[in-house]
Amino acid sequence: EPEVTQTPSHQVTQMGQEVILRCVPISNHLYFYWYRQILGQKVEFLVSFYNNEISEKSEIFDDQFSVERPDGSNFTLKIRSTKLEDSAMYFCASSRTGGSYNSPLHFGNGTRLTVT
Amino acid sequence: KNQVEQSPQSLIILEGKNCTLQCNYTVSPFSNLRWYKQDTGRGPVSLTIMTFSENTKSNGRYTATLDADTKQSSLHITASQLSDSASYICVVSALGTNAGKSTFGDGTTLTVKP
Repeated sequence: EPEVTQTPSHQVTQMGQEVILRCVPISNHLYFYWYRQILGQKVEFLVSFYNNEISEKSEIFDDQFSVERPDGSNFTLKIRSTKLEDSAMYFCASSRTGGSYNSPLHFGNGTRLTVT
Repeated sequence: KNQVEQSPQSLIILEGKNCTLQCNYTVSPFSNLRWYKQDTGRGPVSLTIMTFSENTKSNGRYTATLDADTKQSSLHITASQLSDSASYICVVSALGTNAGKSTFGDGTTLTVKP
């Protein structure tokens, strides 16, 4: 079964550094998402992306964050200047359509970001 | 504000026993409700989905129920196995929002002991 793949699985960075988290969504999916999960807390929506533009974003997704689909397969999340509170597990997800009934979210296994 | 509350927060059961996890929501207008299983260190995986017209849906040993009037759902796990140890997350979607901006519950952490 096709999977969403994320790299790296673990990223350690120093506060103030830029990080890029990478994802390869399922190939015939059209909608792409980033979520974060701080240790011990719930999964939180960051952003959704469709047709090469952001379709929705949460209040967490401020100017420090950006997303890009640089080619036909990759989907990236960039954090410009990391803060300690950015330490979390970041999940990429994709879905075939934007409607939630017929098209479940398929999640990758996450990138654990540790900011020191 | 759309909210999803799950109980209990954590649960420990013996292998072979049954258990039931609860989800209450205030998401409106309601579209659908999904249960996801999240193994430690991995992404959530969809188990079931239900719309307002569905009362019960099964997926193997997992049976989800929905009462759209009281805005409650439950996930029943039968004959638990050690591999059922995971976090179970209730996710509710509102009409008119895309799949990604659904409301996530905090999850119930289930531990199955031999």
